[in-house]
Amino acid sequence: DAGVTQSPTHLIKTRGQQVTLRCSPKSGHDTVSWYQQALGQGPQFIFQYYEEEERQRGNFPDRFSGHQFPNYSSELNVNALLLGDSALYLCASGSRGYSNQPQHFGDGTRLSIL
Amino acid sequence: SQKIEQNSEALNIQEGKTATLTCNYTNYSPAYLQWYRQDPGRGPVFLLLIRENEKEKRKERLKVTFDTTLKQSLFHITASQPADSATYLCAPDAGNTGKLIFGQGTTLQVKP
Repeated sequence: DAGVTQSPTHLIKTRGQQVTLRCSPKSGHDTVSWYQQALGQGPQFIFQYYEEEERQRGNFPDRFSGHQFPNYSSELNVNALLLGDSALYLCASGSRGYSNQPQHFGDGTRLSIL
Repeated sequence: SQKIEQNSEALNIQEGKTATLTCNYTNYSPAYLQWYRQDPGRGPVFLLLIRENEKEKRKERLKVTFDTTLKQSLFHITASQPADSATYLCAPDAGNTGKLIFGQGTTLQVKP
């Protein structure tokens, strides 16, 4: 039973570029959340997708956008990259109403901006 | 705004001792709180969930307490082992939404 998978594992971009990160949720899960984790900090919530719609959003600018596909997989897009966007991007999956249930995390995509 | 504070300094203890990690929160009242473990270069892994009406919860060598009056959760690892060395994150819920607000984490180092 595959857990949450994310791709790519590492990515290097330059300022101003755009990036797309991908996530496949754990089998049986239909909700995907994205988090940004800066070095030495805890994960920060970006947004959550369910039924192919953004359901909740954290305090991130519109440069951060996402998408969920019918098979529940998800993408995170970041436009006009800034140096401060360098971080580990984590995807977490769960079932609808999982607010009182554990979330299952992937191992993340390490994004470096030069 | 909602704020979570964990010990920012690393906790160093000797193998076999009990490790105690603290999580304090302000400006809200979570209905439940989760603890996760994170190893370097890996995603967080769920350990325990405790609800506001539960004072204490145990799982093997792990114990979590939840004091809604003090707005604090304590995470204990008894008979600690070097394999317990990791960063531990607390995450109170944000209003039954599925959104987790994480503390910055406490790094535990267990020395043999």
